[in-house]
Amino acid sequence: NAGVTQTPKFQVLKTGQSMTLQCAQDMNHNSMYWYRQDPGMGLRLIYYSASEGTTDKGEVPNGYNVSRLNKREFSLRLESAAPSQTSVYFCASSAGTGSYQPQHFGDGTRLSIL
Amino acid sequence: SQQGEEDPQALSIQEGENATMNCSYKTSINNLQWYRQNSGRGLVHLILIRSNEREKHSGRLRVTLDTSKKSSSLLITASRAADTASYFCVPPFGGSNYKLTFGKGTLLTVNP
Repeated sequence: NAGVTQTPKFQVLKTGQSMTLQCAQDMNHNSMYWYRQDPGMGLRLIYYSASEGTTDKGEVPNGYNVSRLNKREFSLRLESAAPSQTSVYFCASSAGTGSYQPQHFGDGTRLSIL
Repeated sequence: SQQGEEDPQALSIQEGENATMNCSYKTSINNLQWYRQNSGRGLVHLILIRSNEREKHSGRLRVTLDTSKKSSSLLITASRAADTASYFCVPPFGGSNYKLTFGKGTLLTVNP
């Protein structure tokens, strides 16, 4: 049972390059999320998708776009990467958006922008 | 939004000892979740405690919730080296879990 799978695991980009981070879940979950984790900052929500066909901004959406491709997949795109976007990115999913739903996380994508 | 504030920020103990981590939050909640993050890995959901529960157990974990003090604690008994991780308490904001906000956590180190 794979759970939440993120690709790639590591990536180095140059400033201005674009990139798409991929996330897929096999738990038939309705809701999916993208977070970034920076030292001393905790996890911050970038975008989320409450259900297939919907996406909404989180706490730090600037510089990112998302696509809920289908129920399983939720991608995060950096159109023009900046050094400030160097971070570890986590995708998560949950059965729904009710407050009793635990979130299941992937193991992250470590992204460096030079 | 609100996030849990974990205390202490770091805790170092010997294998076999118990570890207690505390959490405070600001506004009323209907439940609170605890997560663990091992180094280099994603977060793992440990336990959810509802506002009408004062204590909940799961294996070697014991979580308490005091809604009058807006605080929670996580006790890990008979700790193991594999328990070395960061632990986060996560109160939901606004009753919607997509507003979950994560604090900086407690870094627990269990020395063999």
